[in-house]
Amino acid sequence: ETGVTQTPRHLVMGMTNKKSLKCEQHLGHNAMYWYKQSAKKPLELMFVYSLEERVENNSVPSRFSPECPNSSHLFLHLHTLQPEDSALYLCASSQGYYGPSYEQYFGPGTRLTVT
Amino acid sequence: GNSVTQMEGPVTLSEEAFLTINCTYTATGYPSLFWYVQYPGEGLQLLLKATKADDKGSNKGFEATYRKETTSFHLEKGSVQVSDSAVYFCALITGNQFYFGTGTSLTVIP
Repeated sequence: ETGVTQTPRHLVMGMTNKKSLKCEQHLGHNAMYWYKQSAKKPLELMFVYSLEERVENNSVPSRFSPECPNSSHLFLHLHTLQPEDSALYLCASSQGYYGPSYEQYFGPGTRLTVT
Repeated sequence: GNSVTQMEGPVTLSEEAFLTINCTYTATGYPSLFWYVQYPGEGLQLLLKATKADDKGSNKGFEATYRKETTSFHLEKGSVQVSDSAVYFCALITGNQFYFGTGTSLTVIP
């Protein structure tokens, strides 16, 4: 595997389910990100981890719970979601968290549908 | 504050036409600028970047020049192909903050 991978690619879940999204980066990066991409809305940054510590949490509802067990893996745990949470969830990584050259590399995303 | 503004889409062009997608920015300090492309059903891919004023980023026939005087980073391609159909995002990084534009959808018809 190369780059940033995400599983599953598609997920349909009911509002009472609990599920997790997984992201893995094979780039040796130290920072990882979760974004939400909804139709006709700007990309929304949800969480940022740098060296496995959460450094940003942009007013995300508690029904989304991130976990970063090591610098290569990032999870997003989901529970009691709402239909408006249906979106494409993108994971990204960058070499570092601070600096002008730390461009982000994205995974293919998980298409989440909440029924 | 910091922000990125890019032209509204959608943009529809015939194959081999010239492409310009405008992007302007507001930023404190000295940001780096990026263009990302998102093909249908996929994540964002870095297309090109420029890290200082007057730098030109280029890749796959696309170019963009970092213009500090006009705070712009317009994306251009001389001859588009059907395979260039995608959504294009302008972005900047300053310090530890990444800002994305809202994306411009491009459709190229044969």
